[in-house]
Amino acid sequence: VQLEESGGGLVQPGGSLRLSCEASGFTLSNHDMHWIRQPTGKGLEWVSAIGIGGETYYVGSVKGRFTISRENAGNSLFLQMNSLRAGDTAVYYCVRVYSNSFDIWGQGTKVTVSP
Amino acid sequence: QSVLTQPPSVSAAPGQRVTISCSGSSSNVGRNYVSWYQQLPGTAPKVLIYENNKRPLGIPDRFSGSKSGTSATLGITGLQTGDEADYYCAAWDSSLSAVAFGGGTKVTVL
Repeated sequence: VQLEESGGGLVQPGGSLRLSCEASGFTLSNHDMHWIRQPTGKGLEWVSAIGIGGETYYVGSVKGRFTISRENAGNSLFLQMNSLRAGDTAVYYCVRVYSNSFDIWGQGTKVTVSP
Repeated sequence: QSVLTQPPSVSAAPGQRVTISCSGSSSNVGRNYVSWYQQLPGTAPKVLIYENNKRPLGIPDRFSGSKSGTSATLGITGLQTGDEADYYCAAWDSSLSAVAFGGGTKVTVL
C-alpha cells in the first residue's frame, strides 16, 4: 500500500503546475484523499480534500486557484494549481484517510514558486 | 498562526515521560476526532494516534492519546533518542470545513 507523487518543480509566480499521485495496493476511490503541504522548516498545512462521494474542500488561501480531482481508472489523485504564488512553495504530500486519520502518506513532491 | 495550539518544544531525559498539549475549540477538537503524527527529520509524517486515543498496529504503547473538552494530549513514556522528532495534532474543523493542524512540537531527548 503506497502513494507516489509527481509533478513538482520550479515555476514562476502566476504559473501553473499539476501534481499527480498514483496509488498502489488499494483503491483510491474508496477513501477520502487529501493534499497536505509543508514549507521548508515549517509545519504541516492542509490544502485540499476530495471525499468518496466527490465532494471537495479547500483551505481559504487556495480557493479559486487549486482544483483537486481523481481518476478512478488510473487510481490517481491530482491537484491542479494555477496562479501560483511564492507562499505556495512547499513539499506537497498526497495522503489517504482511514479511521479518521491520515494513515498513508506519499514521499512528497517539491514545488518551488520563484522568478 | 495555527488553528490548534501546541507548545513549540518539550524536552526530557531518556526514560522520562513527556506530554504534548493540543488546544482547540468547540468546532474542531471539541467536536471531532483528534489524531497525532510523528515526523522524523527528512521523512513524511506517520500516524501515532487516531480517533483520540487509538494506536495503529506497530505503534508501541509508550505512545498514548487522550482528549477532554477542547484539548487533547499526547503522552510519550520511556523516552528514547529515536523519539526525537516533530509531533503534530490534527482535527477536522466543522466551522471551517477544513482540517486544522497544530503548529508542531519538537521533542528533544536530553
